[in-house]
Amino acid sequence: DAGITQSPRHKVTETGTPVTLRCHQTENHRYMYWYRQDPGHGLRLIHYSYGVKDTDKGEVSDGYSVSRSKTEDFLLTLESATSSQTSVYFCAISESLAGGRSYNEQFFGPGTRLTVL
Amino acid sequence: RKEVEQDPGPFNVPEGATVAFNCTYSNSASQSFFWYRQDCRKEPKLLMSVYSSGNEDGRFTAQLNRASQYISLLIRDSKLSDSATYLCVVRDNTDKLIFGTGTRLQVFP
Repeated sequence: DAGITQSPRHKVTETGTPVTLRCHQTENHRYMYWYRQDPGHGLRLIHYSYGVKDTDKGEVSDGYSVSRSKTEDFLLTLESATSSQTSVYFCAISESLAGGRSYNEQFFGPGTRLTVL
Repeated sequence: RKEVEQDPGPFNVPEGATVAFNCTYSNSASQSFFWYRQDCRKEPKLLMSVYSSGNEDGRFTAQLNRASQYISLLIRDSKLSDSATYLCVVRDNTDKLIFGTGTRLQVFP
């Protein structure tokens, strides 16, 4: 299995509080991603990173920010959590090919279950 | 219309049965296609890529029909351990992965 860990694995918080989720990889892969998974929706991309300090928005980025100061860590922050952000959050990584296009397979972390009351 | 559509199921089949799932996608410029497997409360894992010529991996066969924009997955000789949700995934022309909501398979003894 790819070396990806997420922390915390479970979190319950209250509306309006800030929350930071961490994704850590030991594979030295260039690309890292944050997804959320909700019933009735496929996994939806929140933000992604294509290198240290290089990030971009995904499909559902409103209310989220990210940072990547080291290759191995990708942080997802909810500045002021809302109940609509209750979800399962998955981090994923992929390796780049020459030319910068991401490799076919994305490897996923174990997920973080976040509940916002 | 969703970009990737799948029948949510569940498909309930006995051990040893053959079962097939289909998936349709809306973006004709999609680049690559995959099936991922996701066990309950676990992360998705790549099951197989789907090639234009069709491909087989043991009991699993994947087919792609670009003209009709659908992908299929056939599982032969179903095992109890095949019980999971199968996600159809499409890489679009911006290199992003678009996930279907998944088809749930339950294999019973």
